[in-house]
Amino acid sequence: DAEITQSPRHKITETGRQVTLACHQTWNHNNMFWYRQDLGHGLRLIHYSYGVQDTNKGEVSDGYSVSRSNTEDLPLTLESAASSQTSVYFCASSEGITDTQYFGPGTRLTVL
Amino acid sequence: AQSVTQLDSHVSVSEGTPVLLRCNYSSSYSPSLFWYVQHPNKGLQLLLKYTSAATLVKGINGFEAEFKKSETSFHLTKPSAHMSDAAEYFCVVSGRSGFKTIFGAGTRLFVKA
Repeated sequence: DAEITQSPRHKITETGRQVTLACHQTWNHNNMFWYRQDLGHGLRLIHYSYGVQDTNKGEVSDGYSVSRSNTEDLPLTLESAASSQTSVYFCASSEGITDTQYFGPGTRLTVL
Repeated sequence: AQSVTQLDSHVSVSEGTPVLLRCNYSSSYSPSLFWYVQHPNKGLQLLLKYTSAATLVKGINGFEAEFKKSETSFHLTKPSAHMSDAAEYFCVVSGRSGFKTIFGAGTRLFVKA
């Protein structure tokens, strides 16, 4: 069965360190998304990609970057982790831009 | 511009009683609307979606939602709550032209035995 996976599931890091969260999907979807989930805010879009070599900023992109070198993967990098980036991060993919999104299980990131 | 408002942050019902989770949206054009469910420590899962076909949309696990353009609402209902329905529910609006998917803040559903 097709799926979307994230790793690690839990990560603790220190302020100032670079962190990369992995996202891998086997749906063969062109569209991939990264969200962060914080209490009282629902899900907020960080970055998204319509296809290989395409990346776009979402509403909370400061301090984050992504790259898309193949269809299956969209890693999220925190260039210099900050305590405000402590959150749960979800990756998602979809076939069409406004189609159903399929979500990964999430990565809980703690920045100390 | 698009926006979505979930009118209740928490809803508590007794098992076997109806569930109503309220969602209002704002969109400059005909939107796609979704309800997702998130169980504790899990990712989001699609419950149902509206894409301009029938205004009453049936989803999984007995949930349904009705698109009411005049009221700009897309409320989620279920006739009889089950303990396993306890979760957080997100109403989502997505535009047709360009990428604009907006998530509501979520409604946490509690089901009492």
